[in-house]
Amino acid sequence: KAGVTQTPRYLIKTRGQQVTLSCSPISGHRSVSWYQQTPGQGLQFLFEYFSETQRNKGNFPGRFSGRQFSNSRSEMNVSTLELGDSALYLCASSLSGSLAKNIQYFGAGTRLSVL
Amino acid sequence: AQKVTQAQTEISVVEKEDVTLDCVYETRDTTYYLFWYKQPPSGELVFLIRRNSFDEQNEISGRYSWNFQKSTSSFNFTITASQVVDSAVYFCALWPNTGFQKLVFGTGTRLLVSP
Repeated sequence: KAGVTQTPRYLIKTRGQQVTLSCSPISGHRSVSWYQQTPGQGLQFLFEYFSETQRNKGNFPGRFSGRQFSNSRSEMNVSTLELGDSALYLCASSLSGSLAKNIQYFGAGTRLSVL
Repeated sequence: AQKVTQAQTEISVVEKEDVTLDCVYETRDTTYYLFWYKQPPSGELVFLIRRNSFDEQNEISGRYSWNFQKSTSSFNFTITASQVVDSAVYFCALWPNTGFQKLVFGTGTRLLVSP
């Protein structure tokens, strides 16, 4: 069974640009969550999607958005990039999103560098 | 509010030494779930264990063992006879069963095992 796949693995952008990251969950998983990992702030929750609907959102500005498609694949978009957006973006999938019964499995991440 | 504290930023040991990674959490929920993840240099967070708040039984899995003590709000992780391949960053995380359900991560402990 394939794991969580994130593409691309590495990205270099300049300030002001926008970027789209992609995540393919484990087959059968309907919940996809996104996290930002930086040396200063650690791992922070961005948002969670389930059945194409955003269920939870972390404390990030509106420049960070996402969506989920009918096949559960998810994309995350960051507009008007800032230097502080440089981070490892991790995607995680689970069957239902409730970790009382399930486990979140993570992808290898997309490392975004903003110059 | 939920909080996870991993006071040890970095631990260095020599192969075959035992090492314990500390995790202290804060939550007002009576039902919650605790996790440990391992992040090797490749970046992917690898699931190690999940424990629910009602199950204080310690667990051993090969060279890994976990000590959950509700009275001290701690969920410590011990690696016995460490190996170089254990070198990674280890994260403890909390998932509350009510309210804003998201994984709250500690800041991680970097474990360096030298030969």
